[in-house]
Amino acid sequence: QLQLVQSGAEVRKPGSSVKVSCKASGGTFSSDSISWVRQAPGQGLEWMGGIIPLFGTPSYAQKFQGRVTIIADDSTSTFYMELSSLRSEDTAVYYCAKDGYYSDRGRYSWVFDPWGQGTLVTVSS
Amino acid sequence: SSELTQDPAVAVALGQTVRVTCQGDSLRKYYATWYQQKPGQAPVVVIYGEDHRPSGIPDRFSGSSSGNIGSLTITGAQTEDEADYYCVSRDNSGDWVFGGGTKLTVL
Repeated sequence: QLQLVQSGAEVRKPGSSVKVSCKASGGTFSSDSISWVRQAPGQGLEWMGGIIPLFGTPSYAQKFQGRVTIIADDSTSTFYMELSSLRSEDTAVYYCAKDGYYSDRGRYSWVFDPWGQGTLVTVSS
Repeated sequence: SSELTQDPAVAVALGQTVRVTCQGDSLRKYYATWYQQKPGQAPVVVIYGEDHRPSGIPDRFSGSSSGNIGSLTITGAQTEDEADYYCVSRDNSGDWVFGGGTKLTVL
């Protein structure tokens, strides 16, 4: 049973970067597809990007292109999400989650499960 | 990108039935997956596919789909069902997209 454990809360100044980790255990690291989803205070969920270690190449939501980097470290079974040029609007809880799909007679639904516990990133001067 | 639209808030009397909807073009092609999120917690899948519940999810939760609308129905809502509910699908560019969320209040 895959478990995802994230790093602790961070406080950063505007313009800086933050790197959040997500350690996986109990799964098949190389083939597990992991996404990063964030949630600003009182707001909804927002997909940022994801990666499958086996393929190596991450995919990013257009909104975050150029500011986000997602990597997978095989040696430690850990996923990382780095967000740069931080601004106050980036204050949010950042989650990692395994993403996958389920097919009902060829029609797909997209499942994020399990989730990490979330990491609060606060951007403040 | 393809948006998913949800009502911001819905209320239901204890023990009654409530439907939470999610509307978007991508739902003509994909089923919505539904997540329940309680304050301070990560989201939890309650419905996926045509109408499937993960183990541990009560059978009062059900899903349906018609045209570009996906629906989550709670039959006999309980106080513990009070939460935010999100739908998710995939847009034409391959990105995942979440609905804006529906805050369910059980009166």
